Amino acid sequence: GAGVSQSPRYKVTKRGQDVALRCDPISGHVSLYWYRQALGQGPEFLTYFNYEAQQDKSGLPNDRFSAERPEGSISTLTIQRTEQRDSAMYRCASSSGLAGSYQFFGPGTRLTVL
Amino acid sequence: AQRVTQPEKLLSVFKGAPVELKCNYSYSGSPELFWYVQYSRQRLQLLLRHISRESIKGFTADLNKGETSFHLKKPFAQEEDSAMYYCALSANTGNQFYFGTGTSLTVIP
Repeated sequence: GAGVSQSPRYKVTKRGQDVALRCDPISGHVSLYWYRQALGQGPEFLTYFNYEAQQDKSGLPNDRFSAERPEGSISTLTIQRTEQRDSAMYRCASSSGLAGSYQFFGPGTRLTVL
Repeated sequence: AQRVTQPEKLLSVFKGAPVELKCNYSYSGSPELFWYVQYSRQRLQLLLRHISRESIKGFTADLNKGETSFHLKKPFAQEEDSAMYYCALSANTGNQFYFGTGTSLTVIP
């Protein structure tokens, strides 16, 4: 594809429901990143993958958050038992993975938990 | 630990005036620094990175290791420069990125 895509673009859910956010990186990009961005803040690192391997998940706030990238391409960020404080913009980015490479961002998914 | 600090949340300048967006970082290794920009209704995108030493849209940024700064500068601001600007640091592994809180730049006609 032409760029990183994310779906859905907007998600409204009720507290306690599970949500799955999808990221489709640029074809051939090795590294894939997930960020969360609260209003008035910069993107906050959640986790990243090289190919299908989750290299770092230290940014995931708690065990309700998980991510996978089973075939080294599309990734899914899952939030279980959502809470109102999970409301934010969730951004995905991908890069070639080479040292010094920069990230291409998707449009983001705006999650609202009622 | 706060690795990237952008002290100004909001910055307004008049068209044609010089603009400087401040960024300070904290990192013990050899960081790579980036500026990302987000125009209204568009996605976050790379503006420039220090290793390229390039000027993009008239913007430049010099890495000052002594002052641990990577300020973004443009001598003559244009209305189309109005956007949100984020400074970002990549750890020397190349795979961890830390963003500042962003500066919203408004160029007044």
